[in-house]
Amino acid sequence: KAGVTQTPRYLIKTRGQQVTLSCSPISGHRSVSWYQQTPGQGLQFLFEYFSETQRNKGNFPGRFSGRQFSNSRSEMNVSTLELGDSALYLCASSFDSDRATGELFFGEGSRLTVL
Amino acid sequence: DAKTTQPNSMESNEEEPVHLPCNHSTISGTDYIHWYRQLPSQGPEYVIHGLTSNVNNRMASLAIAEDRKSSTLILHRATLRDAAVYYCILRDRGNDMRFGAGTRLTVKP
Repeated sequence: KAGVTQTPRYLIKTRGQQVTLSCSPISGHRSVSWYQQTPGQGLQFLFEYFSETQRNKGNFPGRFSGRQFSNSRSEMNVSTLELGDSALYLCASSFDSDRATGELFFGEGSRLTVL
Repeated sequence: DAKTTQPNSMESNEEEPVHLPCNHSTISGTDYIHWYRQLPSQGPEYVIHGLTSNVNNRMASLAIAEDRKSSTLILHRATLRDAAVYYCILRDRGNDMRFGAGTRLTVKP
């Protein structure tokens, strides 16, 4: 069974630009969540989508947005990039039969560098 | 959200057992205790989870205190491949997986 696929794996942008990251969940998984990982802040929750609806959102500015498509694939977008947005962006999927016990499966991440 | 407290780092020798502690004194009755680990240059991976009873799987064991205010992840025989950051997380149906700083485990040959 294919794992969670994130594209692109690496990308470099300049300040002020915008970026779109893609996540393909494991087949059959309906929930997709996004995390930002930096050396200083660790793993921080961005948002979660379930059946094309944003179910929960972390404490990030409105420049960070996302969406989920009917096939459960998800994209996140960051507009007006800042140097501090340089990070590893991780996507996780789950079947979500029970949020309390469901296992999250993570992709390898998209490493964004903002110059 | 209920919080967890873990030591920043721990060391272990290869082939020896490792006990990774986690304190969660504000845990609610519906919170499940989850453990994930993140190996270098990889996304986190699931290790184990439990509610009240001790749990075992092929990767590890989870020992949960009777009052549920603390838990311990047990790696029975540490290998070099177990060197990772281990995260202890509380989760119930209403919230999402929020990671703390975790414990960085170093395994010495």
